[in-house]
Amino acid sequence: GAVVSQHPSWVICKSGTSVKIECRSLDFQATTMFWYRQFPKQSLMLMATSNEGSKATYEQGVEKDKFLINHASLTLSTLTVTSAHPEDSSFYICSATDSARGYGYTFGSGTRLTVV
Amino acid sequence: EDKVVQSPLSLVVHEGDTVTLNCSYEVTNFRSLLWYKQEKKAPTFLFMLTSSGIEKKSGRLSSILDKKELFSILNITATQTGDSAVYLCAVEKGGNKLVFGAGTILRVKS
Repeated sequence: GAVVSQHPSWVICKSGTSVKIECRSLDFQATTMFWYRQFPKQSLMLMATSNEGSKATYEQGVEKDKFLINHASLTLSTLTVTSAHPEDSSFYICSATDSARGYGYTFGSGTRLTVV
Repeated sequence: EDKVVQSPLSLVVHEGDTVTLNCSYEVTNFRSLLWYKQEKKAPTFLFMLTSSGIEKKSGRLSSILDKKELFSILNITATQTGDSAVYLCAVEKGGNKLVFGAGTILRVKS
């Protein structure tokens, strides 16, 4: 079945630094990837949608200069949290879909970001 | 504004009990409704429902969609401790977007 690998699974960084999270589709071509954020005991909130080779589409209220998304290939998307602050601490999950397969959203295992 | 509402928010049952989880929605450009199970990390796919009244079944889990009343239920029979998780309902809308509910936290006690 479809597998999406997300790395790192957890990261601690200092306030003001940047952190990059990678999301890879291992056995299919992900034409579209999605980035979500999940606060404790809350649901997944879509942050942005990225299509390979084009700019990401951000949801309302998500700062695109703070959360940089790159989807340079059909198997890799990255989310960079720039100048991280403690309020950016959260669980970030990516998911990927291959439009050629019609449907199906496969999720990565998530990244727990803690900013100290 | 798109809304997906799940109930109850949390539930504690004993092994062997049957549980019913609810999901109601108001979403424009509806395409399908999906159920996921989330344990510690990534949500894992359970069901995708597109048509009303057709029950989907997988072992002890089953789900059905009512597109007229805009809701879905997820049933789990003969619950086991391994069923303890957060169950997420999501509605897929046009543009490949998923709108998630807040989830139902299920705890099955032995």
